[in-house]
Amino acid sequence: GAVVSQHPSRVICKSGTSVKIECRSLDFQATTMFWYRQFPKKSLMLMATSNEGSKATYEQGVEKDKFLINHASLTLSTLTVTSAHPEDSSFYICSASRGRHNEQFFGPGTRLTVL
Amino acid sequence: QKEVEQDPGPLSVPEGAIVSLNCTYSNSAFQYFMWYRQYSRKGPELLMYTYSSGNKEDGRFTAQVDKSSKYISLFIRDSQPSDSATYLCAMSSSGSARQLTFGSGTQLTVLP
Repeated sequence: GAVVSQHPSRVICKSGTSVKIECRSLDFQATTMFWYRQFPKKSLMLMATSNEGSKATYEQGVEKDKFLINHASLTLSTLTVTSAHPEDSSFYICSASRGRHNEQFFGPGTRLTVL
Repeated sequence: QKEVEQDPGPLSVPEGAIVSLNCTYSNSAFQYFMWYRQYSRKGPELLMYTYSSGNKEDGRFTAQVDKSSKYISLFIRDSQPSDSATYLCAMSSSGSARQLTFGSGTQLTVLP
């Protein structure tokens, strides 16, 4: 159990376009989902926390108008990178939490390359 | 000072060696301690989860938490080339929406 999927796994887009990344908890209902960004050989940087049916809570320095998060159900959260620029190129990873102690289980990540 | 400090390595060991990975932290509110393994270009995979102080063993992996010293460890016995990955420690304080604070990760290579 505790499988989290992400789609797509890899996306290349032109500067100025928007990209949507989906995160799904496949075999459990997630109380909370998290979005992270990871640069090469660096640790994960939390971008935002989202609960189903409510607005996401963004970390300091993360532009909420650029990184739109929608948490439509207990098993699905989406991150849309709007008007993407090359500096948005990164590895984006979601996680979903469950259980009494809210353990976090991570998706496989999405590599975004903006040309 | 970072909240969580982790030696980035890289660390190379021969197959069969015992590996010791460590993190120190400064926030005494942390109650939950985790170790994740991350292969290149993949998401982190939860390896060990410990609440408060003590030891936890799972196969070749042992996690230790010493809250008095604010120090956690992961030991890997009989290391295998397939253990080659980046290992991230993570911790969080009590709360309804737990956010993890990660270490920077230690890159481990087990040589055949």
